[in-house]
Amino acid sequence: EDQVTQSPEALRLQEGESSSLNCSYTVSGLRGLFWYRQDPGKGPEFLFTLYSAGEEKEKERLKATLTKKESFLHITAPKPEDSATYLCAVQTNYGGATNKLIFGTGTLLAVQP
Amino acid sequence: ETGVTQTPRHLVMGMTNKKSLKCEQHLGHNAMYWYKQSAKKPLELMFVYSLEERVENNSVPSRFSPECPNSSHLFLHLHTLQPEDSALYLCASSQVLTLNTEAFFGQGTRLTVV
Repeated sequence: EDQVTQSPEALRLQEGESSSLNCSYTVSGLRGLFWYRQDPGKGPEFLFTLYSAGEEKEKERLKATLTKKESFLHITAPKPEDSATYLCAVQTNYGGATNKLIFGTGTLLAVQP
Repeated sequence: ETGVTQTPRHLVMGMTNKKSLKCEQHLGHNAMYWYKQSAKKPLELMFVYSLEERVENNSVPSRFSPECPNSSHLFLHLHTLQPEDSALYLCASSQVLTLNTEAFFGQGTRLTVV
């Protein structure tokens, strides 16, 4: 069964304290791995797509990496505005040309000033 | 602004009411999705319309009925809902048959069934 597991469930950091979020997955036919950021009461905001093991993407203080079994979202010197829930999703084939996203439950990140 | 607009943002309805959620995308995508987000649970895919074809999700109760009149608009018709249907309903769109297949989400409709 396709499955995505994120850890930790919640993470509290001091401003400037770097850390990593983990997303491990079991899926048949991976077509991509996606990271999203979600603020309270809002829809998920797209951050990164990773397609193959060894691939890395960066955006400001965030860096995403991918292996054959997991992905990491590294946060370097975080600021309070980085506080949000970070969602990981894997894309698989749903039939024909259609893809579907399987989401993890997210990591709630709180960065204290 | 993601290019995907959902209305209304908040909805309170009784169990005997009929209401509809609306989603419109301005990204030129050819696939649209409804997701349900409940507390402490992963986003749950409800329905997919891809290349103007509906892809069923058999685990969705019949009190939820989607409609996709064209590639830019998506509706979710609600009828005789239960309190456990209270959740954040998210619409998304993406482009299939391309290299960049990431989905973009709307801001969601917060539904409360009383």
